[in-house]
Amino acid sequence: SQTIHQWPATLVQPVGSPLSLECTVEGTSNPNLYWYRQAAGRGLQLLFYSVGIGQISSEVPQNLSASRPQDRQFILSSKKLLLSDSGFYLCAWSSGGGVGGEQFFGPGTRLTVL
Amino acid sequence: KNQVEQSPQSLIILEGKNCTLQCNYTVSPFSNLRWYKQDTGRGPVSLTIMTFSENTKSNGRYTATLDADTKQSSLHITASQLSDSASYICVVTEWSSYKLIFGSGTRLLVRP
Repeated sequence: SQTIHQWPATLVQPVGSPLSLECTVEGTSNPNLYWYRQAAGRGLQLLFYSVGIGQISSEVPQNLSASRPQDRQFILSSKKLLLSDSGFYLCAWSSGGGVGGEQFFGPGTRLTVL
Repeated sequence: KNQVEQSPQSLIILEGKNCTLQCNYTVSPFSNLRWYKQDTGRGPVSLTIMTFSENTKSNGRYTATLDADTKQSSLHITASQLSDSASYICVVTEWSSYKLIFGSGTRLLVRP
């Protein structure tokens, strides 16, 4: 069966510090991978998606970036965090080779920028 | 503009009671509609999925309905339990697209 992991679960960082959130998927190959952010009381906002290694598409201009160094690894980064980067970050995967498939979400990372 | 709107924003019910959550969407063309349950501090988990040709889909005490003509969906929860306390998110997929359009969710609190 497939599983998706995210870490850390919670993170408190000062403004201006760097960020690295990691997501890995097990039990599948060539998945589509996604990063979402959920602000308090708001819907999920798609930040990045990837259909393959090294292929990253950005949905929203921001000071965040994403990378996919391996097939089942997706990393969300920032060089300098802003207060507005606080939120709940979710990684998700769906089966590759098609579009519109069901997305399966990880447990999330709660980021607080102070 | 493709949008998904949910109502109410929040809801409090007593344990054992039924409730219905609403979802209206303007996504076009439409592929499918999903209802997710998201416990506090956790990732969303899929409850049901319906294509445009399906009118109703059940998953235990959860029953989703879809009216593709009026672009409305509802999620009915029967005999609520304390564990039903969560946010319920309506998600619509554009046709032939990876893009999911998320509603902002309905926060349900079930009280004993």
